Amino acid sequence: KNEVEQSPQNLTAQEGEFITINCSYSVGISALHWLQQHPGGGIVSLFMLSSGKKKHGRLIATINIQEKHSSLHITASHPRDSAVYICAVDTDKLIFGTGTRLQVFP
Amino acid sequence: EPEVTQTPSHQVTQMGQEVILRCVPISNHLYFYWYRQILGQKVEFLVSFYNNEISEKSEIFDDQFSVERPDGSNFTLKIRSTKLEDSAMYFCASSVQGAGYTFGSGTRLTVV
Repeated sequence: KNEVEQSPQNLTAQEGEFITINCSYSVGISALHWLQQHPGGGIVSLFMLSSGKKKHGRLIATINIQEKHSSLHITASHPRDSAVYICAVDTDKLIFGTGTRLQVFP
Repeated sequence: EPEVTQTPSHQVTQMGQEVILRCVPISNHLYFYWYRQILGQKVEFLVSFYNNEISEKSEIFDDQFSVERPDGSNFTLKIRSTKLEDSAMYFCASSVQGAGYTFGSGTRLTVV
């Protein structure tokens, strides 16, 4: 069983839609990270969470430590949000989920 | 904003050859990591490095792999005798404890 599970694996949306990506994990962690990977391959850190909720622009990330679950929300999605979104948990190293490929169409 | 720099961006090598992938971490970061991503798969941990020594390594990081910090700024990953299955994107990352990670843009290694 994977230590980090993400859903859905693929997501297609129309511009303006509200997007939710989910992440569940099964190990003890010090933090959870949401990352973005564009087609060129580079990885960008979006959020680091150890509790509660964080917001940056149209992106919101939440974590429930007791349930070992996190969500990434994108409000008013835009085609430029199209990317792979990856959940990774921090156990003195990062353990990555398989990613969610998001495509937003105009 | 400070960056982690990786070179080269692409490397093609023949099977059995040695390759060295280079990384310049952010200057005040103390923890360094190598990860790899085989095409179509998830990112996997290879090795972490702190205080000039390996702090943890994965099962993937066998005797073919080594890491060094040769001059206090560069952080290198060496693969001694490359195999076809070493073809992947290799990412370097650095961090300050308790803070986030900064990733380099990756080196795409193709073994032919």
